[in-house]
Amino acid sequence: DAKTTQPNSMESNEEEPVHLPCNHSTISGTDYIHWYRQLPSQGPEYVIHGLTSNVNNRMASLAIAEDRKSSTLILHRATLRDAAVYYCIRTNYGGSQGNLIFGKGTKLSVKP
Amino acid sequence: DVKVTQSSRYLVKRTGEKVFLECVQDMDHENMFWYRQDPGLGLRLIYFSYDVKMKEKGDIPEGYSVSREKKERFSLILESASTNQTSMYLCASSLGDTSYNSPLHFGNGTRLTVT
Repeated sequence: DAKTTQPNSMESNEEEPVHLPCNHSTISGTDYIHWYRQLPSQGPEYVIHGLTSNVNNRMASLAIAEDRKSSTLILHRATLRDAAVYYCIRTNYGGSQGNLIFGKGTKLSVKP
Repeated sequence: DVKVTQSSRYLVKRTGEKVFLECVQDMDHENMFWYRQDPGLGLRLIYFSYDVKMKEKGDIPEGYSVSREKKERFSLILESASTNQTSMYLCASSLGDTSYNSPLHFGNGTRLTVT
């Protein structure tokens, strides 16, 4: 049980913004939201994480809904190298760290 | 950048063999993890370790054991390999902060085939 829901796949055009949604309606107050992505033939790569506030880093932005039941990963300008499977994950504060439950993620295709 | 190195990219072993998968990280991380990834099942945690000589079972520890004699190295052992252990094995590490919130850094995986 991944406890998050994501679309199976999405398509984007190169150099356009991409908004990847994630639903986590049963999230508890201390669960963080992490995003990872996995490029073909590679291990997952950390993208970004947050708790309540929106977050930005060099890779992406994370917008978290006020009720925290959903979040959106934003890639500001998609490139062909952003084609990957994106995983939205809840982490359990105080629980067994590392027991991240990776769901099936969203497969992002980027068209030139 | 953190580097997590898995000793083999591809491995082919026979049923019943003892198999060692090695993982080394270079950033002095306290936590290390072993996952396996299978189509349709996603990533599943096998074992993890918070410290040297310490280990905890994950979701699917049956048929596996681990060893952490040094902080930088975490080994996954298949005592008697079986065909249902054919999979992609991923090692990861993270800082041991008390918020349990540090990002995981993954290696590129070892694709193990058991024949």
